[in-house]
Amino acid sequence: LAKTTQPISMDSYEGQEVNITCSHNNIATNDYITWYQQFPSQGPRFIIQGYKTKVKNEVASLFIPADRKSSTLSLPRVSLSDTAVYYCLPRDSGTYKYIFGTGTRLKVLA
Amino acid sequence: DVKVTQSSRYLVKRTGEKVFLECVQDMDHENMFWYRQDPGLGLRLIYFSYDVKMKEKGDIPEGYSVSREKKERFSLILESASTNQTSMYLCASSTPTSRKNIQYFGAGTRLSVL
Repeated sequence: LAKTTQPISMDSYEGQEVNITCSHNNIATNDYITWYQQFPSQGPRFIIQGYKTKVKNEVASLFIPADRKSSTLSLPRVSLSDTAVYYCLPRDSGTYKYIFGTGTRLKVLA
Repeated sequence: DVKVTQSSRYLVKRTGEKVFLECVQDMDHENMFWYRQDPGLGLRLIYFSYDVKMKEKGDIPEGYSVSREKKERFSLILESASTNQTSMYLCASSTPTSRKNIQYFGAGTRLSVL
C-alpha cells in the first residue's frame, strides 16, 4: 500500500522560498500527483499537480523526479497568508485509492 | 466554480443516535468521497462512490455507511454514533478523469458525539 511521508511542520519568514517534500512509494504509474492547501475550519483546496519534471502556476511550483518517489512543492516568497497545512495526494498503485498523509503545517512568521 | 456543500458546519449528537451527514455538489461529478480528519492523523478515507448507487470502502469504513441515490448527493450515515466518531468530516467530489483527478472539498462538518 502506498504511504506518504511529509515533515510534520515547518516555520519560515515572510519573503522566503519554502520547499516541502513528500515521499511516496508504490504510487499509480500513470497518475498525476496533486497538492492541496488547507486553512483552519476549511476543506483542502487544490494548489498544483504534476506528473514528471517541473510544473509551475501562479502560486507554486512542483518538481517530481524521474522515479516519481517524491515530489517537492515550492512556494516562492511566502506571506503570512500562506500559513496553512499542505498535503500531497498520490494514488496507490494496487488499490487505486487516494492516500492523504498527515500533511505539513507551515507557519509563516513576520 | 465547483461548489460542494455540506449540510451542517457543526453537529452535536448523543451516543447511540443515528446521524446523517449530507453532501451536495453542483458540477455533475461522478466521484464523491467522505473523509474524516483528526489531529495528527490527517485525512482518512471512509467511503467513496464513483457512480449513483455505487460505493467502495475506504480505509476506515467501520461504523459508517453511505448512500448515493442521486448523482449530486452523497450521504454519510453513522448507524449508532459513538464518542470515537467525534471528528471533522469532509466531503469531496471529482470528475472521473483518472490521471488528473482533482478533488473539490466542502467546508466540513464538525461532529461532536456526547
